[in-house]
Amino acid sequence: GAVVSQHPSWVICKSGTSVKIECRSLDFQATTMFWYRQFPKQSLMLMATSNEGSKATYEQGVEKDKFLINHASLTLSTLTVTSAHPEDSSFYICSAPRAGAADTQYFGPGTRLTVL
Amino acid sequence: KQEVTQIPAALSVPEGENLVLNCSFTDSAIYNLQWFRQDPGKGLTSLLLIQSSQREQTSGRLNASLDKSSGRSTLYIAASQPGDSATYLCAVSMRFGAGTRLTVKP
Repeated sequence: GAVVSQHPSWVICKSGTSVKIECRSLDFQATTMFWYRQFPKQSLMLMATSNEGSKATYEQGVEKDKFLINHASLTLSTLTVTSAHPEDSSFYICSAPRAGAADTQYFGPGTRLTVL
Repeated sequence: KQEVTQIPAALSVPEGENLVLNCSFTDSAIYNLQWFRQDPGKGLTSLLLIQSSQREQTSGRLNASLDKSSGRSTLYIAASQPGDSATYLCAVSMRFGAGTRLTVKP
């Protein structure tokens, strides 16, 4: 079946540093990928849509300069949390729809970010 | 903007009971609806996907229905087991409900 991977699975960093999270579709191409964040005991909130070959589309209230998204290829999207602060600590999950499979969303396992 | 609501927020049942989780959405112009489960601290596991042209989907003890006209979907779990304990999430057009936290007691 389709698989989406994320790397790293968890990361701890100091406040003020930048962290890059990768999302890869392993056996299919994805022109679009989605990034979500999830705070403890809350649901997933869509942050942005990553588009291969063009700029990402951000949801209202999400700072594009804070959360840099690059859809580098048809199988890779990256999310960089710049100048991270403790309030950015969260669970970040990506997903990719697989064309021809009713656009079923395949989710990565998530990346837990802790900013000290 | 699509809004998704799930009821109840939490549910605790004894093992063996049949149960229904509810999901409602505001915009009926959907492409598909997907049900997931999420275990604490883990990612999402896709359970069922219903395309907009379908009325229901079944997988094992799970059955999901879709009524676009009323903006509702239900997830039916038959003969619940302790291993079913998790948070169940409904997703419509990239929007997630807040989830239903299910506990099945032995």
